[in-house]
Amino acid sequence: ETGVTQSPTHLIKTRGQQVTLRCSSQSGHNTVSWYQQALGQGPQFIFQYYREEENGRGNFPPRFSGLQFPNYSSELNVNALELDDSALYLCASSLETGGSYNEQFFGPGTRLTVL
Amino acid sequence: GNSVTQMEGPVTLSEEAFLTINCTYTATGYPSLFWYVQYPGEGLQLLLKATKADDKGSNKGFEATYRKETTSFHLEKGSVQVSDSAVYFCALSDQGYSTLTFGKGTMLLVSP
Repeated sequence: ETGVTQSPTHLIKTRGQQVTLRCSSQSGHNTVSWYQQALGQGPQFIFQYYREEENGRGNFPPRFSGLQFPNYSSELNVNALELDDSALYLCASSLETGGSYNEQFFGPGTRLTVL
Repeated sequence: GNSVTQMEGPVTLSEEAFLTINCTYTATGYPSLFWYVQYPGEGLQLLLKATKADDKGSNKGFEATYRKETTSFHLEKGSVQVSDSAVYFCALSDQGYSTLTFGKGTMLLVSP
């Protein structure tokens, strides 16, 4: 069973640029959630995708957007990068069956630095 | 809204010492509660969970009990090892909605 993978591992961008981060979900999972973890902070929920549709969103501006593909992999796109976007971006996948909480499995993250 | 408050770190202990990391939460309804661990350079790993009041989650010698009356979920271990050095996150999930609200994390440093 392949776990959650993310690419790239590290990325450096400048203010105003755009970035795309990628996530491959664990085999058999149908849901992907994205989190932002600033240095010294806990992860904060950005949004979740279930069967290619956004299924919940945290307190992040519209320049944070995402996609989920038919194979359940996902992308996180951030436009007009700001210095405060520097963080570790975590992807988590789960198998949603409805009802109670379903365990999320996290990838190793992408470290984004905005200069 | 939901929130999780953890004790600030770092927590510095000698090997074989007793560990407690405090966690309290605010939530509507009856959330599920979790402890995640993050080793240096790695992603988050689920350490233990409890889904209803008075449940005790346990794994690898760590334990936490879901206390609804005090809205707490404190993490304990009777004898820590150097390999337990990591950042520990307390988190909750609203029932029926599989996203997580995390605390800020507590760094644990265990020396030989």
